[in-house]
Amino acid sequence: QQPVQSPQAVILREGEDAVINCSSSKALYSVHWYRQKHGEAPVFLMILLKGGEQKGHEKISASFNEKKQQSSLYLTASQLSYSGTYFCGTELLIIQGAQKLVFGQGTRLTINP
Amino acid sequence: GAGVSQSPSNKVTEKGKDVELRCDPISGHTALYWYRQSLGQGLEFLIYFQGNSAPDKSGLPSDRFSAERTGGSVSTLTIQRTQQEDSAVYLCASSSDRGADTQYFGPGTRLTVL
Repeated sequence: QQPVQSPQAVILREGEDAVINCSSSKALYSVHWYRQKHGEAPVFLMILLKGGEQKGHEKISASFNEKKQQSSLYLTASQLSYSGTYFCGTELLIIQGAQKLVFGQGTRLTINP
Repeated sequence: GAGVSQSPSNKVTEKGKDVELRCDPISGHTALYWYRQSLGQGLEFLIYFQGNSAPDKSGLPSDRFSAERTGGSVSTLTIQRTQQEDSAVYLCASSSDRGADTQYFGPGTRLTVL
């Protein structure tokens, strides 16, 4: 049930763009994105609900393709502060209603000056 | 409190000893999660509480691991007869009434088993 994230790691120069993908083998109710900086706890970025809804947060936005059971996180004009490991958390679509999140293995993003 | 707190922040123990890790969720949050994160790895789900009950214990790695939550608030994760492979950061998160709302993470407890 664990979603698959790609790429596993990416290195950018400041100002470049990046896309992080999250795919599930199960139908999804929602996708959550978190960022974790080294030595710190994960911090919430955004939630996307089924229906292809796209949300944005500063220069970070995301899409959710319900049919393809995948989500993508877009980071544009990356800043040094974007460095960290990005996790997607997927909430499965089940009859009884939404329950726990299952997190992917993470994508390590490094932004160099 | 303002956020999720965990104690202790660091715990070093000898192989075979029992340890207790504590989590204080955000006041009013009914859902509480425990995760384990080994060095450089992802978030491994351990157990989920809704109120005082644990509808999902599927992530507990062995019967040496147990958790309880009392009064719908504080939770304790207990690891008995610790092994070196138990060394990791144990993270607690809480969320409001629905199980998969935004999760707010605590700072974690770094457990080292010698």
